[in-house]
Amino acid sequence: DTAVSQTPKYLVTQMGNDKSIKCEQNLGHDTMYWYKQDSKKFLKIMFSYNNKELIINETVPNRFSPKSPDKAHLNLHINSLELGDSAVYFCASSQSRTGGSYEQYFGPGTRLTVT
Amino acid sequence: GQQLNQSPQSMFIQEGEDVSMNCTSSSIFNTWLWYKQDPGEGPVLLIALYKAGELTSNGRLTAQFGITRKDSFLNISASIPSDVGIYFCAGQFGDRLAFGKGNQVVVIP
Repeated sequence: DTAVSQTPKYLVTQMGNDKSIKCEQNLGHDTMYWYKQDSKKFLKIMFSYNNKELIINETVPNRFSPKSPDKAHLNLHINSLELGDSAVYFCASSQSRTGGSYEQYFGPGTRLTVT
Repeated sequence: GQQLNQSPQSMFIQEGEDVSMNCTSSSIFNTWLWYKQDPGEGPVLLIALYKAGELTSNGRLTAQFGITRKDSFLNISASIPSDVGIYFCAGQFGDRLAFGKGNQVVVIP
């Protein structure tokens, strides 16, 4: 009965490769997010989708491309991976982005290591 | 962007002690949230606050939404070893959350 799930949990890859991280939520939420947590544990918003529509796109290299096939799924594709992309990536979801609950529920994270 | 200042950044406490942590900002927020992150896991929502002055408890945790809407605090009473982790505050503005840098809590048995 996992609420927000991510795959894979760990991802080790070489510079220049392309990789994807998948996220699914079974909470019936409308909004999903991708965060990056660096080595100092700072959580930085990257993207947000509401009902498959991109609503937040922070200053992120365009090597990062989110895709939401439906409102329960939000995937993150990263092209031409660089050493600085090494971090933990968290998916989150919330019920609504306007006039409602802003409580965000996080997945377990994907630890990406680029060598 | 919005900045949240969490203090202290880390604390070592004896089991059984109470612990208090703060989150402040120069900006007004409409919602304050407190999360806990265990090693290797994602942040877990502890308490959500929606009104200025609101005081909410969740077991041994108590949090308050500051009256100015620019701050919040979290108290943990009678700490136990499993309280160890990183505690994050988050403030809602527009359609997103701003997070503090976290407070590492270590409980000494």
